[in-house]
Amino acid sequence: DTAVSQTPKYLVTQMGNDKSIKCEQNLGHDTMYWYKQDSKKFLKIMFSYNNKELIINETVPNRFSPKSPDKAHLNLHINSLELGDSAVYFCASQRENTEAFFGQGTRLTVV
Amino acid sequence: AQSVTQLDSQVPVFEEAPVELRCNYSSSVSVYLFWYVQYPNQGLQLLLKYLSGSTLVKGINGFEAEFNKSQTSFHLRKPSVHISDTAEYFCAVSERYNQGGKLIFGQGTELSVKP
Repeated sequence: DTAVSQTPKYLVTQMGNDKSIKCEQNLGHDTMYWYKQDSKKFLKIMFSYNNKELIINETVPNRFSPKSPDKAHLNLHINSLELGDSAVYFCASQRENTEAFFGQGTRLTVV
Repeated sequence: AQSVTQLDSQVPVFEEAPVELRCNYSSSVSVYLFWYVQYPNQGLQLLLKYLSGSTLVKGINGFEAEFNKSQTSFHLRKPSVHISDTAEYFCAVSERYNQGGKLIFGQGTELSVKP
């Protein structure tokens, strides 16, 4: 069983559209994250949720809205997509202050 | 605030040669340290971690790293690399007592193993 799974793996969409990326973890962790990896492979945290509550919001535009229906799921909705949103988005989960487990990533391409 | 610097963006090396990927960090508080590997079109996989205890940490695939507090470094080493080690390697830190536990990553080092 995949520990952290996110869908879709690839997403190609036009500017201005709204899209969602889903993430689920079966590790029983309380904390989940969204990270963004840009074209230079630099990874930066976007959001952190602990037991369905937002803990970290790293100055991400309001067009990005995470939603956590329960502690095993953390979805990312993006409104009015822009060219600069093209990146790979990684979901991760973590138990207390140990290592994070990452999903396979969603490669978002905005055209 | 923490920051992580990986001193080499690319490291080419021949198969069976030793390799060291360098990582320095900056933090005003105690940290946990990690090395992750990313194979092409894959997610990040944990290689090893330093949480406490022995400063020499052994990980998967024959990798090891040494935490040096005085030099604020956490360099990754392998005595003999394989072609299959070709990947992007990321050093990361998280604040020890922060409930958020977010990872701060270095810029990554591309390890290219040649036959």
